[in-house]
Amino acid sequence: KNQVEQSPQSLIILEGKNCTLQCNYTVSPFSNLRWYKQDTGRGPVSLTIMTFSENTKSNGRYTATLDADTKQSSLHITASQLSDSASYICVVSSHGLTGGGNKLTFGTGTQLKVEL
Amino acid sequence: DAGVTQSPTHLIKTRGQHVTLRCSPISGHKSVSWYQQVLGQGPQFIFQYYEKEERGRGNFPDRFSARQFPNYSSELNVNALLLGDSALYLCASRRARLAAVTDTQYFGPGTRLTVL
Repeated sequence: KNQVEQSPQSLIILEGKNCTLQCNYTVSPFSNLRWYKQDTGRGPVSLTIMTFSENTKSNGRYTATLDADTKQSSLHITASQLSDSASYICVVSSHGLTGGGNKLTFGTGTQLKVEL
Repeated sequence: DAGVTQSPTHLIKTRGQHVTLRCSPISGHKSVSWYQQVLGQGPQFIFQYYEKEERGRGNFPDRFSARQFPNYSSELNVNALLLGDSALYLCASRRARLAAVTDTQYFGPGTRLTVL
């Protein structure tokens, strides 16, 4: 069964500090891994996407890593800001049907709160 | 360019009623997927439609149905509502003529359904 597990479930950090969120997956066949940021009551917004051959990808203060051998990914947030407070969701895609039928498996997310 | 739009924003129904949720994809996107996100959890895949045909179905009862129109907009219908159907319903679109590995899925803001 395809599964995506994220840790920690929730995290509170002070503004300006760094943090790292973890994602472990058992999804096959692996296509790509994405990190999304979801503000409360809003739809998820894509931060990064990585394929099998990519080890790291950055988007501003967000840096994602991928170890396809151990099936682990991390999202590192540098110099956190109050606006980083949100749920961060790891999503792993596996190839399904042709013509746009990729299957996505979502993690339950890490709830991050940045405080003054 | 407008992103993915969904209507209504919020909806309150009672048990046993029927509901229709609507989604308009980003212009040029032919694939629409529906997700159910219960509070505190990651989105769960319900349906994917591509070129007006169902391309994928998640583990949801037959009370859930959907369709895609010639303009690629989509409706999600839920019959005989249960209390457990209360959730944020997300629509996502992607260009995906083929199963492009790095094709990003863009989410709408969601429809918050409350069943009383």
